[in-house]
Amino acid sequence: GAVVSQHPSWVICKSGTSVKIECRSLDFQATTMFWYRQFPKQSLMLMATSNEGSKATYEQGVEKDKFLINHASLTLSTLTVTSAHPEDSSFYICSAREEREGWSLEQYFGPGTRLTVT
Amino acid sequence: QKEVEQDPGPLSVPEGAIVSLNCTYSNSAFQYFMWYRQYSRKGPELLMYTYSSGNKEDGRFTAQVDKSSKYISLFIRDSQPSDSATYLCAMSGYTGGGNKLTFGTGTQLKVEL
Repeated sequence: GAVVSQHPSWVICKSGTSVKIECRSLDFQATTMFWYRQFPKQSLMLMATSNEGSKATYEQGVEKDKFLINHASLTLSTLTVTSAHPEDSSFYICSAREEREGWSLEQYFGPGTRLTVT
Repeated sequence: QKEVEQDPGPLSVPEGAIVSLNCTYSNSAFQYFMWYRQYSRKGPELLMYTYSSGNKEDGRFTAQVDKSSKYISLFIRDSQPSDSATYLCAMSGYTGGGNKLTFGTGTQLKVEL
């Protein structure tokens, strides 16, 4: 299956600083990438959807100025958590989907990034 | 009512048992159905992907979709301790482009020796 990588896998930062998480599709071109967050023992919560070269679409309740998403190429999307606070501590997972001729194919997930804000 | 309902478990079975995991949904627009496996502190891994009613088999896994009942299942035969994980069902609508996955809450499975 297709491979999606994330970097870093684990990051600890101080309150008030910003953290950037990278998501890469390694063997396919991802027209659409998704960012999720997951709290312990809970399901994935979609934060935003990004298409290469255009602005991300954020889900209701997600602050776009706090969670900056850039999908600069068909293989790379970044999520920047700005002015992080302890309540932003979570497991962030990206997902990438390849689309051909308007049809969506399978959606593949990265291994996740655990963010701890102290 | 949630669009996708899934029993969170935990479900504990002995090694070698047949496991049945299920999800129900309310949105008749869902056409694509997926099952993901997620190990602790890891991203979800796609197991099965179907888009029609009926069965689809892949090794020890069988995915079943019943659109008339809005009910999907994942069966695991000859379960192994390595199958211990959280299983998430996910589904999306018919259109391509920006269609999004809607996830169940996940069922935690433990296969014991």
